[in-house]
Amino acid sequence: QKEVEQNSGPLSVPEGAIASLNCTYSDRGSQSFFWYRQYSGKSPELIMSIYSNGDKEDGRFTAQLNKASQYVSLLIRDSQPSDSATYLCAKGGYSTLTFGKGTMLLVSP
Amino acid sequence: DTAVSQTPKYLVTQMGNDKSIKCEQNLGHDTMYWYKQDSKKFLKIMFSYNNKELIINETVPNRFSPKSPDKAHLNLHINSLELGDSAVYFCASSHTGAVIYGYTFGSGTRLTVV
Repeated sequence: QKEVEQNSGPLSVPEGAIASLNCTYSDRGSQSFFWYRQYSGKSPELIMSIYSNGDKEDGRFTAQLNKASQYVSLLIRDSQPSDSATYLCAKGGYSTLTFGKGTMLLVSP
Repeated sequence: DTAVSQTPKYLVTQMGNDKSIKCEQNLGHDTMYWYKQDSKKFLKIMFSYNNKELIINETVPNRFSPKSPDKAHLNLHINSLELGDSAVYFCASSHTGAVIYGYTFGSGTRLTVV
């Protein structure tokens, strides 16, 4: 079983809709989780981190963590074409982050 | 004022050559990393250094040799380049305890071996 799993997509949503990106992980001991956004040809950029069960909101982004289900999600409200990118889920380990393969999001005008 | 800088940005070279990629960070972080991102966008850890000491060395061919002259620099030397080495290589840095703070990535080096 892969440590961090994501659906590769693409996930297509119309402009203004809510985009829901999901991630599951295999290590019950993981304590920290991150969402990175990566535009084509660019480096990953940290957009959210979450450590406790529940929701964490930052502007149009909401991260959700459910440790019992080993599940992390990212909701993007009022999606914009500029949100089109690959979203990488990562979990914190002893001293490194382990990344999923990413989900490509396409927001159509 | 770039936080994590890598050079070169693009590297095209022939099989069998030896090449180096350099990374520098001015964030005051004490841990630096090399990641490889393949054509399918999968980011995989290669090496991790903390205060110039190697702390993680994943299953990577020994043709890859990292070197950290000080905690602000981490270089990657690759010997006898192969076609399969073609990828984007990212340097990243963090405070000790990346598990809490996450990383800052450099802009990447796109290596193409022909």
